[in-house]
Order: sequence, then structure tokens, then C-alpha cells
Amino acid sequence: DQQVKQNSPSLSVQEGRISILNCDYTNSMFDYFLWYKKYPAEGPTFLISISSIKDKNEDGRFTVFLNKSAKHLSLHIVPSQPGDSAVYFCAASEDHTDKLIFGTGTRLQVFP
Amino acid sequence: EPEVTQTPSHQVTQMGQEVILRCVPISNHLYFYWYRQILGQKVEFLVSFYNNEISEKSEIFDDQFSVERPDGSNFTLKIRSTKLEDSAMYFCASSEGPNQPQHFGDGTRLSIL
Repeated sequence: DQQVKQNSPSLSVQEGRISILNCDYTNSMFDYFLWYKKYPAEGPTFLISISSIKDKNEDGRFTVFLNKSAKHLSLHIVPSQPGDSAVYFCAASEDHTDKLIFGTGTRLQVFP
Repeated sequence: EPEVTQTPSHQVTQMGQEVILRCVPISNHLYFYWYRQILGQKVEFLVSFYNNEISEKSEIFDDQFSVERPDGSNFTLKIRSTKLEDSAMYFCASSEGPNQPQHFGDGTRLSIL
């Protein structure tokens, strides 16, 4: 099941710079998208979401961009902080269901 | 901040035994979910539950699985006769409503011997 893909398994960014995490999807019926952060031995922590009627949603240092024609979303973290080091998952669902389909995750490392 | 709590954090069980995983969702949430993550694989949806009944389940959620909300606070996942391939992290989640963010617990690591 490759409906949601995160093609970069890891990303390394210097503190204070921008982190950009990418996610692609194949299912055109997805209409709700979320980003989660996960530390080891903890569950996924909700960060930010976006519905398909928008192309951008911002919450503090986190911004999610949605490009429906390209079936692509991205998470921007500005400025990046060492505490942001974690695995980031994108997830998506269709209108008639709450079933979340997750990507494989991208490990972000923010170094000083 | 309210959170989803799961117990136990780690459960070790012999193959063929029954296991019950417990969850306390966020108190004003009405929608409840179970997901699992096998080591090295994606987080996978198992089941959603609303208004005291299953609203959706995946093909993984076969007759060996069941869910229950035995009282006003707990939400449980039961596996009747565990198999080796049931070994995974099991995450409970809850949300206020449809198309609302799902909030996850820290999971129960289930190890089947």
C-alpha cells in the first residue's frame, strides 16, 4: 500500500535554518492531511493539518503546503530547533472515512 | 494538556493466549481508533469506533480482534488467540469528530513468544 509516500528517509538541517519535509500521495480522494512528529518510545504527536480546500496552513513555526494538482504536501519548520529532531509522518484520509493512511516517515536531525 | 493513556506499556504473551490492551481516550472525544506498527513498517489502521459500535475496520482486523468500551472512560482491544505476527506496537487514538486531528497514546508494545 503506497498511497502515501515519504521518499526521504532522513534529513539533516542546521539549527536556525528551514527544514522542509515532503510527502507525495496517489489517491485523489484524499481530502484531509496531517503531519505527526514521533520521538522514540512515544506515540505520534499531532503537529498540523490541512484540508483539501486550502493550499496552506500555518501554526507558529510550522507551515503545511498542499499542491493538489501535484498530489504533494510539504511541512516547513522555521526556524529549526534541536528539539525538532524526531521522525515526521504525513498521513491522509478520504472524506467518508477517518482511517488515516501513513507514510513511512522522515527522520529529521537538527544539529547546532 | 489532555492526553490518551495506554496500559500496559509492554505486554509479553505466549502464542495462543488472549490479550487485552487498554486505552483511556481524551475525555471529551467521541471517536476512538486502534492502529498498529510492526517493527520497521508503517503505522496501519485497525479499527474505528463511534457511538458504541465499529464504524470501520481494516482487513487486518479479523475475527480474532474485538474492541469494547466497557465504561465511560476505557476503550479496549482484545486479541483472542495471539499469533507470532501480532507482535507490534499498538496505538490507541481519539478525536473530537470526523476530519479532526487524531491524538495518539504512547502505545503498547506487544511481544508474542
